[in-house]
Amino acid sequence: NAGVTQTPKFQVLKTGQSMTLQCAQDMNHNSMYWYRQDPGMGLRLIYYSASEGTTDKGEVPNGYNVSRLNKREFSLRLESAAPSQTSVYFCASSEAPSSNEQFFGPGTRLTVL
Amino acid sequence: KQEVTQIPAALSVPEGENLVLNCSFTDSAIYNLQWFRQDPGKGLTSLLLIQSSQREQTSGRLNASLDKSSGRSTLYIAASQPGDSATYLCAAHSGNTPLVFGKGTRLSVIA
Repeated sequence: NAGVTQTPKFQVLKTGQSMTLQCAQDMNHNSMYWYRQDPGMGLRLIYYSASEGTTDKGEVPNGYNVSRLNKREFSLRLESAAPSQTSVYFCASSEAPSSNEQFFGPGTRLTVL
Repeated sequence: KQEVTQIPAALSVPEGENLVLNCSFTDSAIYNLQWFRQDPGKGLTSLLLIQSSQREQTSGRLNASLDKSSGRSTLYIAASQPGDSATYLCAAHSGNTPLVFGKGTRLSVIA
């Protein structure tokens, strides 16, 4: 089992460009999450999907959209990238939204110039 | 709103020492608390998950405790090794919100 996989590993964008970060899990988990990690700010939740067909905003959703494509895949889209979105993005999954362990992917390091 | 704090932000110890990492949270009505390890440039690896009904969990040289009434959790690492050097994060799950993370403690174990 690969666990949680993310693509790409690295990306450089210019301000105003768009891109989609991909995430997939092979653990048959119901819930999936997108976080960003910034120095001094820790990990902050962007969006999550408690189950297939549902998505909810987290702490810092502005500038992002998500799609729960199916049970395995959860994508994060930046429609018009800004330098403030330079960060490391992590996808995670868990069996259920409550009471269950979260497992993380290796991350995508994004730089917006 | 849940807030999670980890003190100290950084810690340096000699190899072989037993050590304790601290995590405090403001909302004691938690479902669970999870400890993670993060190596530089890598993702998070789950170490231990403590449910609200549990007092502690153990995995090898690691032992995590939970005291909801005081809003505290500790991660005990026995006989520390240089390979334990990493950032350790705790995260609390409460209410309808998913995990809220502390900012982590960066541990250096010196050979």
